[in-house]
Amino acid sequence: EPEVTQTPSHQVTQMGQEVILRCVPISNHLYFYWYRQILGQKVEFLVSFYNNEISEKSEIFDDQFSVERPDGSNFTLKIRSTKLEDSAMYFCASSADRARYGYTFGSGTRLTVV
Amino acid sequence: LAKTTQPISMDSYEGQEVNITCSHNNIATNDYITWYQQFPSQGPRFIIQGYKTKVTNEVASLFIPADRKSSTLSLPRVSLSDTAVYYCLLAYGGATNKLIFGTGTLLAVQP
Repeated sequence: EPEVTQTPSHQVTQMGQEVILRCVPISNHLYFYWYRQILGQKVEFLVSFYNNEISEKSEIFDDQFSVERPDGSNFTLKIRSTKLEDSAMYFCASSADRARYGYTFGSGTRLTVV
Repeated sequence: LAKTTQPISMDSYEGQEVNITCSHNNIATNDYITWYQQFPSQGPRFIIQGYKTKVTNEVASLFIPADRKSSTLSLPRVSLSDTAVYYCLLAYGGATNKLIFGTGTLLAVQP
């Protein structure tokens, strides 16, 4: 079964540092997403990406966040200056079509900001 | 996006059938009903989706009445490994492609 691959699985960073979370979506998928889940809380939508541009973003996705698809396979989330409250599991997902056909999520990157 | 309501938790025993009901009174015409499963420290996993009537796949069945104001996820013969959080979501069939997760139902399967 095709998988969405995320690296690293766990990253510890100091407050104020930049981090880049990496994802390899399923190869024939067209829609890409980032979600996050703070420990013990709901899964929250951050951003969706289609046709090489952001199609939708949440209030959480402020100027310190950016996404990029630098080549035909990778999809990255950059946090420019991390804060303690950015500590969470970050999930990448991809879908072949609209959300009603189902996403495939990756296993996540646990980001710890100290 | 319309909101969904589901029980916070459910208990079951191995081998039993589990039915998790979700209310979505304000479901829109373009909304599809979709269910995800999440294990601790893992990403959600798509289980099943439907628009109306009954849908069945290799892991679950989804029952949707004619008014579509509720839906029931049915898991046949659960095992310990089915212990997880189950989310009922409405996936809009239109322009927005995001999913709004609630708190889900924590299903605890005991031996």
